[in-house]
Amino acid sequence: DTGVSQDPRHKITKRGQNVTFRCDPISEHNRLYWYRQTLGQGPEFLTYFQNEAQLEKSRLLSDRFSAERPKGSFSTLEIQRTEQGDSAMYLCASSLDPGNYGYTFGSGTRLTVV
Amino acid sequence: KNQVEQSPQSLIILEGKNCTLQCNYTVSPFSNLRWYKQDTGRGPVSLTIMTFSENTKSNGRYTATLDADTKQSSLHITASQLSDSASYICVVSPNTGNQFYFGTGTSLTVIP
Repeated sequence: DTGVSQDPRHKITKRGQNVTFRCDPISEHNRLYWYRQTLGQGPEFLTYFQNEAQLEKSRLLSDRFSAERPKGSFSTLEIQRTEQGDSAMYLCASSLDPGNYGYTFGSGTRLTVV
Repeated sequence: KNQVEQSPQSLIILEGKNCTLQCNYTVSPFSNLRWYKQDTGRGPVSLTIMTFSENTKSNGRYTATLDADTKQSSLHITASQLSDSASYICVVSPNTGNQFYFGTGTSLTVIP
């Protein structure tokens, strides 16, 4: 197991285009999180899955954002009609038992909207 | 309001010197606190995790302390190396809900 994988590492897109990111968590982890991080800031919570169920969504997750985890394994985060303000690092984390084992983060997807 | 504050915001030290980073939190009820190291353009990597009953935990040259009464934690780095240059983020989890709370980090630069 190589940890949490995110794809792509970098994405440059024109404003108005749609983008989709993928996260493959550690295989036995049932919890998966998406966070967004802008330069010089700490990560901001976007959404959380337990298995395939999306249990929590931040107000930051506007109607242009949608996340799925169809089989309780990998997850996708889609941004429709991208805006320049969407430029950020999108981090995925997974966990089995966060109270005891913490979270493992992926390396993130850097999105630049031009 | 659940908050995590870190200080200093940035720090520059000479290679080989020690340094201490601070984290104060108001997250309640408290479950655990983690320190992460984040290199530029990379995801955070866990250094230590501490629960309510733990006062200190070491990971190589990194030593974290926790005072759950005052809601303060520190990360001490001994004999700093150039590769320690990174952002250090304090993350606090409550024992309810699904979120965890990030500090804004301390940017550490180690110079030769």
